[in-house]
This record gives sequence, structure tokens and C-alpha cells, in this order.
Amino acid sequence: AQSVAQPEDQVNVAEGNPLTVKCTYSVSGNPYLFWYVQYPNRGLQFLLKYITGDNLVKGSYGFEAEFNKSQTSFHLKKPSALVSDSALYFCAVRDLLYNFNKFYFGSGTKLNVKP
Amino acid sequence: NAGVTQTPKFQVLKTGQSMTLQCAQDMNHNSMYWYRQDPGMGLRLIYYSASEGTTDKGEVPNGYNVSRLNKREFSLRLESAAPSQTSVYFCASSEATETQPQHFGDGTRLSIL
Repeated sequence: AQSVAQPEDQVNVAEGNPLTVKCTYSVSGNPYLFWYVQYPNRGLQFLLKYITGDNLVKGSYGFEAEFNKSQTSFHLKKPSALVSDSALYFCAVRDLLYNFNKFYFGSGTKLNVKP
Repeated sequence: NAGVTQTPKFQVLKTGQSMTLQCAQDMNHNSMYWYRQDPGMGLRLIYYSASEGTTDKGEVPNGYNVSRLNKREFSLRLESAAPSQTSVYFCASSEATETQPQHFGDGTRLSIL
């Protein structure tokens, strides 16, 4: 079965420091991976995706993610965190093998950026 | 740009009552989805519709029904609400090509007493 895992329920970082939110995947075939952000009382917003090509993907709000095939990971990163980055982050994979209409989401990681 | 619009935003029901959650998208997307979000469990797919006129079960379909009324609208119905269905419900849509992400509404917060 296709799946993603976010091993950390919560990540705490000081403003101005680099941040990493971890995601590992388990898929058959090529992975199409996505990161979303959710602010309180809002829906998920798309940040970035990896489809193919360059392993470092750049997205919205200064976020980037590194695809690592050997480690089956797709970690979200930002060089300098802002307090406004505090939110819930979800990693997702699209099921290309059995039904590409289906997406599988991780359980989410709450990012806390402290001033 | 409205994107994906969900109504209502909040609702409180009594056990056994029924209600329909509405969703509409203005992006001409073929695929639409209903998820529920519960603490620590991420998003779980209830039903989806790959195109107008088709619907399929997701991971947690029991207790729910859906209707794809037209290309824009996809509704979720609770026939007899149960406290276990207390959750935040999200509607999403996407283009029918595998490289594109989903677009989400802001959710319906449903409490069942």
C-alpha cells in the first residue's frame, strides 16, 4: 500500500533558525509527493511538489523540500523560520500505481516557531 | 477567486439527525473529494468522485453518502448522525492529471451531541 509517515508530531524552532519537517514515504513505483500547510480554522494549502527531475524543489513562502530516493524521504526545509510559519504541515503522496485519484496523507506535524 | 467553497462552516447536530454538507468548486476540476480530519490522524478519505456522474468509496465511507450533482458540486450526507462523526470535514478538488495537487475548502466543523 502507498503511505507516508511524519515521525514528529511537533517541531519547535526559534525564529531565524533553519527548520526541517520530516516525511518518509513507502510507495510502489515512482512517488509523486506533495507538501501542504494548514493554518488554524483553514483548509490545506499547497506548498510544493516533487514529480521528477531536480531533487531540491522550491515552493511557496520560501519553503523547499529535498527528495532522497535512497532514504525514501521528502523533508520540508526553510533556511530561516518566521513566527508566521507556525502551522500544521502535511506530507502527501499520490497513488500512481493503483488509482491516481487517491492521495495518502501523513498524520501532520505541528510547527512552532518561537520569537 | 473562490476556489473550493464549503457550507456550512459550523454545525451542531443531535444524534440521529441528518444533514448534507455542500461543496462547490469553480476551477473546472474533474475530481472532487471528501475527507475528515481528526486529531493525530491526518486526513482520511471518505468518498471521491473522479468525474461527473461517478463516485467511489474511500477509506472511511460507512455512515456517509455522496452525490456529484454536476461538475461543480459534490455533497456529503449524513443520514443518521452519530457522535463518532464529530469531526472537521474538508472538500477538495483536483485536475485529472497526476502531477497536480488538490485544492481544499476551509472545512465544516461538525459536532454531534
